[in-house]
Amino acid sequence: AQSVTQLDSQVPVFEEAPVELRCNYSSSVSVYLFWYVQYPNQGLQLLLKYLSGSTLVKGINGFEAEFNKSQTSFHLRKPSVHISDTAEYFCAVKAFGNEKLTFGTGTRLTIIP
Amino acid sequence: NAGVMQNPRHLVRRRGQEARLRCSPMKGHSHVYWYRQLPEEGLKFMVYLQKENIIDESGMPKERFSAEFPKEGPSILRIQQVVRGDSAAYFCASSRQDNQPQHFGDGTRLSIL
Repeated sequence: AQSVTQLDSQVPVFEEAPVELRCNYSSSVSVYLFWYVQYPNQGLQLLLKYLSGSTLVKGINGFEAEFNKSQTSFHLRKPSVHISDTAEYFCAVKAFGNEKLTFGTGTRLTIIP
Repeated sequence: NAGVMQNPRHLVRRRGQEARLRCSPMKGHSHVYWYRQLPEEGLKFMVYLQKENIIDESGMPKERFSAEFPKEGPSILRIQQVVRGDSAAYFCASSRQDNQPQHFGDGTRLSIL
């Protein structure tokens, strides 16, 4: 079985400051890794994914994430946030050969003007 | 999240009634997934279907819940004899095939009176 831990339930950040949202996972098998963003009253939109290859993955809206196998982490970063980045961010994993996504509990990113 | 269509967006039922949630996958997608999001929690996998087949229902409650994805028409998540604890947002996702990213709809928010 897989599990995902997002330790920070809420992260307030000033506009144009950098941000890092933390994600750690646990799995006995190899996994794919994902970050999704959820705006109020909407579904989830895929920000980026790690399937294989380079451990630094770039996604939409200027976000990137780095897969660290030894630390079982997949932290999300953005060098300069904007008001429009205010949303809930979910980290998720999917085991090889299994289509089920396992999500973390989410991190609410609030941008302070 | 244009593409995966869920309806209704909001559904209110009284305890003991039936709830039917519909999901039309993106064009060309034959894999459908249902997830449930309780307040202040991440999404929890419920069921994975392909046309006319349930592939993985490991996340479905044993009673009152059922899902189908017929040859023609949308996927249906059915909850019989609803209880207060069924109040949640129910999200549908679809993918083209295995190991492809899942695209989410905007969800159905179910409220039980």
